[in-house]
Amino acid sequence: EDQVTQSPEALRLQEGESSSLNCSYTVSGLRGLFWYRQDPGKGPEFLFTLYSAGEEKEKERLKATLTKKESFLHITAPKPEDSATYLCAVRALGGGGSNYKLTFGKGTLLTVNP
Amino acid sequence: NAGVTQTPKFQVLKTGQSMTLQCAQDMNHEYMSWYRQDPGMGLRLIHYSVGAGITDQGEVPNGYNVSRSTTEDFPLRLLSAAPSQTSVYFCASSYLQGANSPLHFGNGTRLTVT
Repeated sequence: EDQVTQSPEALRLQEGESSSLNCSYTVSGLRGLFWYRQDPGKGPEFLFTLYSAGEEKEKERLKATLTKKESFLHITAPKPEDSATYLCAVRALGGGGSNYKLTFGKGTLLTVNP
Repeated sequence: NAGVTQTPKFQVLKTGQSMTLQCAQDMNHEYMSWYRQDPGMGLRLIHYSVGAGITDQGEVPNGYNVSRSTTEDFPLRLLSAAPSQTSVYFCASSYLQGANSPLHFGNGTRLTVT
């Protein structure tokens, strides 16, 4: 069974204080790892897809990295508008329609204080 | 493009009542799915579909029915609502081609069963 564990559950930062969120995963075969951002009362918004160990992707103050067992979402010099819940999900190798489903972690609630 | 549209945004039901949560997408996505999001549980897959006329069960299908008569629409039916179905429900869709096509989410339906 595919499993995704995110840590910490909650993180409070001061504006400009860089940090990282962790996503560890267990899958039979990884097709892709996804990061989403979710604001209160909204649906998850796609940020990145990572396919293979060693891959990195960046968007503004966010950089996602991937190893064979975990992914990190690095936040550099965060601003209050980066406050949100960040979700990690995996898509595993499988047959038929199960090729497309995502298994999610429980998320990290990030609060950035001004 | 409107993306993924869910209606209603909020709903209150009494135990035993039935209702349909609507989901429509205008991106010509073949894959559509329903998730529920509960505090401390993360997003869990209820049902999914890889095309019109094709549906399958996810992780937590009991108490829910789906059908897919068109590419655009994927309604979720609660047959006899129970308090355990109080949750936020998200519809999500993606392309099938390119197995790492990200899921696009609607903004959810918040359901309370009393």
